[in-house]
Parts: sequence; C-alpha cells; structure tokens
Amino acid sequence: SQQGEEDPQALSIQEGENATMNCSYKTSINNLQWYRQNSGRGLVHLILIRSNEREKHSGRLRVTLDTSKKSSSLLITASRAADTASYFCATDSSASKIIFGSGTRLSIRP
Amino acid sequence: SQTIHQWPATLVQPVGSPLSLECTVEGTSNPNLYWYRQAAGRGLQLLFYSVGIGQISSEVPQNLSASRPQDRQFILSSKKLLLSDSGFYLCAWTRTRWSEQFFGPGTRLTVL
Repeated sequence: SQQGEEDPQALSIQEGENATMNCSYKTSINNLQWYRQNSGRGLVHLILIRSNEREKHSGRLRVTLDTSKKSSSLLITASRAADTASYFCATDSSASKIIFGSGTRLSIRP
Repeated sequence: SQTIHQWPATLVQPVGSPLSLECTVEGTSNPNLYWYRQAAGRGLQLLFYSVGIGQISSEVPQNLSASRPQDRQFILSSKKLLLSDSGFYLCAWTRTRWSEQFFGPGTRLTVL
C-alpha cells in the first residue's frame, strides 16, 4: 500500500509565486524526504526531515512535518521556470526501503 | 565522490524476449541497492532491494528478477518480457536503511 500521497496531483502557478505541495502518510515514520524529478530523468534528493523535527529550510525550500496529522508540506518560494518538475515525498517503512508517493507535477508559467 | 551508472539509457524489445539491465555504483562500499519502475506520469514502484551481495528482497511478484553478483552491481532481468513491463526503470543506492537515495539516470524500456 502507498505510504505517502502528494496533493495536489498537478499545480500550475505564475513565475515568482510560491508553490505549496502536501504529503500525507499512514503509519509512523522515522523520517520523510522530498525529491524532485525532471522529465525523463532520475530523482534528486531535496531535503530530509526527521520525525522529531517540525520545520527545515534549504535555500528557497521550506519543509514542515506534522506527525500528529501525519502530513508534510513542501513550500518553494519565489518560483522560477527551472522549478518545473515533479515532486515526490518518500517515507520509510519497517523494512529497508523507502516508499514514494505518486507525486505532484509542478508547472511554472513565465 | 560517488556515482551511479545505469545502462542502456533506452531499450526497445519485442514481447517474449529476455531483459538485462545493469546498475553499478562507484565510490562507496556495501550500499543498499534498489530497483524501481515508473509508469508514465506516475510514482515509483519498488521492485527489488538488496542490503548485501546475494541478498535480494522482492516487493512485487512478477516475471522480473534481480541479482547482486558483486557489492556494487545490481542487475534486473527477465526471461520473457510482457507488454506491461514497459516503463522507466530506475536504480538507486543509499548508505543506510532510510537515508537519502541517490538515483541513476534511468532506462526507458519499451516492449512491443
């Protein structure tokens, strides 16, 4: 079963605006990760937030984690055309593996 | 620095033909290795993962198999491809169980 699910499935915003994507999961986690994928390419790790952390920043990225609601959000501020990509959350499970959600496709309009 | 290689980049195969995709990692030892498949516009489906040589865990029962003959080599195989095997195959590695995953460039497989 899917551990993480992103919302919305697709998002289109104007360049310069902020983009917010959400991820919900079902069971307890040790950490949650966000990845980015450009079309036809492999995934690139963006940020990892541990279960005892509530917020983390990396450049224009801000990730929050609410373990009581089993949800996380990824905020990209001052979006650029180069931010156009699919974004995935990934959560750990009881075994040696990470489960990925189905992703949010972000389009930045110039 | 560590690098991960996958080949081939693209592959077109007829139904019923065999498959062998290779993934190698450089610059690290004893990595956890993973094979994923991604359908167009969809998320990643974990197929196999390995925590050591000869240790393979299968996530989805299907006509695919995986092997890890060497510490930094992970191979995805099939004896007879199905149309449903088409997709984008990604290999990844991690240092520890739940740490950051590093992905290869992927192989686009089309089964006709």
